[in-house]
This record gives sequence, C-alpha cells and structure tokens, in this order.
Amino acid sequence: GAGVSQSPSNKVTEKGKDVELRCDPISGHTALYWYRQSLGQGLEFLIYFQGNSAPDKSGLPSDRFSAERTGGSVSTLTIQRTQQEDSAVYLCASSPDRNTEAFFGQGTRLTVV
Amino acid sequence: SQKIEQNSEALNIQEGKTATLTCNYTNYSPAYLQWYRQDPGRGPVFLLLIRENEKEKRKERLKVTFDTTLKQSLFHITASQPADSATYLCALERSQGNLIFGKGTKLSVKP
Repeated sequence: GAGVSQSPSNKVTEKGKDVELRCDPISGHTALYWYRQSLGQGLEFLIYFQGNSAPDKSGLPSDRFSAERTGGSVSTLTIQRTQQEDSAVYLCASSPDRNTEAFFGQGTRLTVV
Repeated sequence: SQKIEQNSEALNIQEGKTATLTCNYTNYSPAYLQWYRQDPGRGPVFLLLIRENEKEKRKERLKVTFDTTLKQSLFHITASQPADSATYLCALERSQGNLIFGKGTKLSVKP
C-alpha cells in the first residue's frame, strides 16, 4: 500500500477481554515500531522490530502485552486481559532501515470499558 | 538514564514571527535527530532529519540545528502561519535501534 495501515481504527472492548491490533507497514520497510499515546501525552515506545526480530522489547508495560512480526511485514500487538488504563491510541510506524525517517499509520484508538 | 526533553509544553506566537522550539537530551550520543509534526487525531509526520556532523539543516521555512556539545537541537519556523499550529516532536534513535520521542511542544500561531 501507499502508507502504513492500521486496523481496526477504533476498538471498544470490555475489561478483561483480549484484543489484537494489526499494522501493515510500507512494503520493503525493515524497521517497525509500536507506540502508545494517551490523551494529551507524548509517544510511549512499546517495541521495535528489525525484520522479524525484536531487539528491544523494553517498552512493553507488562506481560499482558506481546507483539510479533511475520515475514518481515505485518505486525500484531496483542493485549491480554485488558484494563482501563490500556485505553489509548496505539500507533505503528515503519522505516526503510535504521537512521531513516519513520512513517506513521493513523493509529488504533482502544477504549476499554 | 537516557532522556529526551522538550522544555516547553506550549508556545504561543504571533503570525509572521519566528517560532523556536528546543529539544535537549541526556546520556545519549545520537548519530542523528529527527523532528516530526503531529496534528490532533493523526499520526506524526516526518519533517527533518539532521546528522551529528551537520550543524544546520533547512527546508523551506524550517531550520534545524544540532549541537552535540550542548546536547541540544533547535527547531525554527520562520514567517510562521496559523497553519503551522500543531505539536512538534523531536526523536532520537537509541543504541538498540528503537526511535524514541520527546513529549512534544504544542505551537499555536495567532493571526
């Protein structure tokens, strides 16, 4: 596609349910990033992929959060047993390699009720 | 620990003036620094990248400086316009490769 695509754009879920967020990066981009942004706040780094491997998972808030990337392309971020504090916009970005600009998707707005 | 700080949460200026935003970092030796613009409800959009061996970089009305001694980058918008109103973010790549962002400065340009 022409840009980074994230789905769904909005997700409302009940507390305790699992959710899966998807990111389709720009074709050929080896680096992929996940961030979380709460209302009025900055971008909180979650995880970074280079190809299919994740050199840095240090930003994942708890063991309820996990992410994978397959085929060097699509990535999914899974949140298990969602809590209200997980409510935020989850942003995905990709870049051709390290040391280059990142292209962001429009984000998934997650609301846990 | 490694930190990025954008000291001003908000900056209000008059149209036509130059806006100057500051980004400071500690415990880093980044090879480059990036600036992004974010509008409400949208993902950040890349503006400029400056490398450690570049003192200054320009793009139209935008200018970025990078002082590795002071560990600081300045972002300037000259002849500012109300359409420049947005949140501006600086970003650095950590040694592991992940890109981390400052909290941003919300710029408001009044007509």
